[in-house]
Amino acid sequence: RKEVEQDPGPFNVPEGATVAFNCTYSNSASQSFFWYRQDCRKEPKLLMSVYSSGNEDGRFTAQLNRASQYISLLIRDSKLSDSATYLCVVYPGGGNKLTFGTGTQLKVEL
Amino acid sequence: DTGVSQNPRHKITKRGQNVTFRCDPISEHNRLYWYRQTLGQGPEFLTYFQNEAQLEKSRLLSDRFSAERPKGSFSTLEIQRTEQGDSAMYLCASSRDRVDNEQFFGPGTRLTVL
Repeated sequence: RKEVEQDPGPFNVPEGATVAFNCTYSNSASQSFFWYRQDCRKEPKLLMSVYSSGNEDGRFTAQLNRASQYISLLIRDSKLSDSATYLCVVYPGGGNKLTFGTGTQLKVEL
Repeated sequence: DTGVSQNPRHKITKRGQNVTFRCDPISEHNRLYWYRQTLGQGPEFLTYFQNEAQLEKSRLLSDRFSAERPKGSFSTLEIQRTEQGDSAMYLCASSRDRVDNEQFFGPGTRLTVL
């Protein structure tokens, strides 16, 4: 089983739609969680951290369910500029590497 | 620009040649990481420095790969006797000493081995 699993997509959605991405992780002792955004042939950029209480940043909402080892990202009112790959990232602790999922590709269309 | 910088941005080399990449982290960050990313995959951890000390290395880092951070500032990643399978994006990231280990990435060096 992969340490971090995501549906690779692509998710093709119309502008203005709400879209949700899910991610599961295998290490129950993982300490922190993030969503990164990666545009084609560019570096990953931190979108938001994910907290147990859930957190929101504008149109983006992230949630963490530690019992189910599950992380989600909700994007409301999708914009064309949201088209990118969204990487689910877990910090397992006990070292220093981040563990990345393969990413979920989002395409927002007119 | 106070972000992480990497040079060169692109490198094309012939199989068997040696290549060296450089990373300049965000100045106040004492942690520095190298990752490798191939098409359709997320970045995979290669190695980690705390200041000048290399504290962790992945099994992906074969003996052809070596990384240094001699003064605890910039870092270099060298690949000796390159192979076609080394073709990838090599990403550098840096972070502060934080419990959550939030990392910031440079633009990467795209290596193509012919």
